[in-house]
Amino acid sequence: EPEVTQTPSHQVTQMGQEVILRCVPISNHLYFYWYRQILGQKVEFLVSFYNNEISEKSEIFDDQFSVERPDGSNFTLKIRSTKLEDSAMYFCASKGSIQPQHFGDGTRLSIL
Amino acid sequence: KQEVTQIPAALSVPEGENLVLNCSFTDSAIYNLQWFRQDPGKGLTSLLLIQSSQREQTSGRLNASLDKSSGRSTLYIAASQPGDSATYLCAGFYNQGGKLIFGQGTELSVKP
Repeated sequence: EPEVTQTPSHQVTQMGQEVILRCVPISNHLYFYWYRQILGQKVEFLVSFYNNEISEKSEIFDDQFSVERPDGSNFTLKIRSTKLEDSAMYFCASKGSIQPQHFGDGTRLSIL
Repeated sequence: KQEVTQIPAALSVPEGENLVLNCSFTDSAIYNLQWFRQDPGKGLTSLLLIQSSQREQTSGRLNASLDKSSGRSTLYIAASQPGDSATYLCAGFYNQGGKLIFGQGTELSVKP
């Protein structure tokens, strides 16, 4: 069964550094998402992407965040200057026209 | 504000028991509702998707119901097994490609 794959599984970065989280969505899906889950808290929506542009973003998704779908297969989340509070599990998800959202296994981001 | 709440936060049952997990949402104009399973430190596995025109969905020992008028969904697990131990999340979305709004989850422990 096709699945969403995320790399790396764990990323450790110094505060202030840039980080790029990578995702390969399911190939025929149309909608792409990033969510995050701070330890012990709810899963929170960050951004959705459809038709090569951001369709919705949350208050969390400020100017430090950006997303790209550079080559029609990968979907990346960039954090320009990381802060301690960016430490979380980041999930990528994709969805076809009527199917449920399918999630990757996540990238655990640790900011030191 | 659209919110999703899950009760109880944690539940411990003996093996073989039937159980019900509850999910409530504030906005009855929900489009679809999705139930997930999350194992510790892992990603989200989609269990069931209930479309707004449906009242329930079944998969094996799992049955999920949706009552939009009361703003509630339930996940029924029959004949629980220790392998069912995990956190169960419900999440609603309000349009075709929209973001998922998650509850905080119910942590289920099934004792042998």
